[in-house]
Amino acid sequence: NAGVMQNPRHLVRRRGQEARLRCSPMKGHSHVYWYRQLPEEGLKFMVYLQKENIIDESGMPKERFSAEFPKEGPSILRIQQVVRGDSAAYFCASSPGTSGEQFFGPGTRLTVL
Amino acid sequence: QKEVEQDPGPLSVPEGAIVSLNCTYSNSAFQYFMWYRQYSRKGPELLMYTYSSGNKEDGRFTAQVDKSSKYISLFIRDSQPSDSATYLCAMNGRTNFGNEKLTFGTGTRLTIIP
Repeated sequence: NAGVMQNPRHLVRRRGQEARLRCSPMKGHSHVYWYRQLPEEGLKFMVYLQKENIIDESGMPKERFSAEFPKEGPSILRIQQVVRGDSAAYFCASSPGTSGEQFFGPGTRLTVL
Repeated sequence: QKEVEQDPGPLSVPEGAIVSLNCTYSNSAFQYFMWYRQYSRKGPELLMYTYSSGNKEDGRFTAQVDKSSKYISLFIRDSQPSDSATYLCAMNGRTNFGNEKLTFGTGTRLTIIP
């Protein structure tokens, strides 16, 4: 029973490029959450999605960031025109929705040069 | 005031000791309480999940929730060097759409000294 999968594990981008981060939830989970962890800081919520719907995007920056969870395929967090401040670890978590716990993936570490 | 407060440590204890980690919170809407363990450059690993006041035990780990005081604890018995990690408390509530985002404490860095 595979856990939450994220790819790529490491991503290097130059300023102004686009970053695409992918997340496949645990089997049977239809709720996906994205969090960001800056160096020496705690985990901060970004967005909560269910299949084809954004439920809560209150933690997403208003510009350059978007997320989707299509009917088929992984959830994608997209960052356009990356800046150095976007360098962080991005974690995806999934939940069955029937209980409160969330299970995390290994994360994608984004470095912006 | 932060919604969830957690002492960042660092905390160093000798092998075999009992470790006590704590968080306080201010939002009465929180219903579910979790403890995660995070090794350096890895994803958070769910250790304990509780939704009611009282104690829950799993092996060497005991989670304690006191909703009246808005206080949660994690106890680690017979601590091992492999327990050295950052421990994060997290909590959320429930809406009609499902379970809310997790609100995390800042994490406590724990080192078990052999």
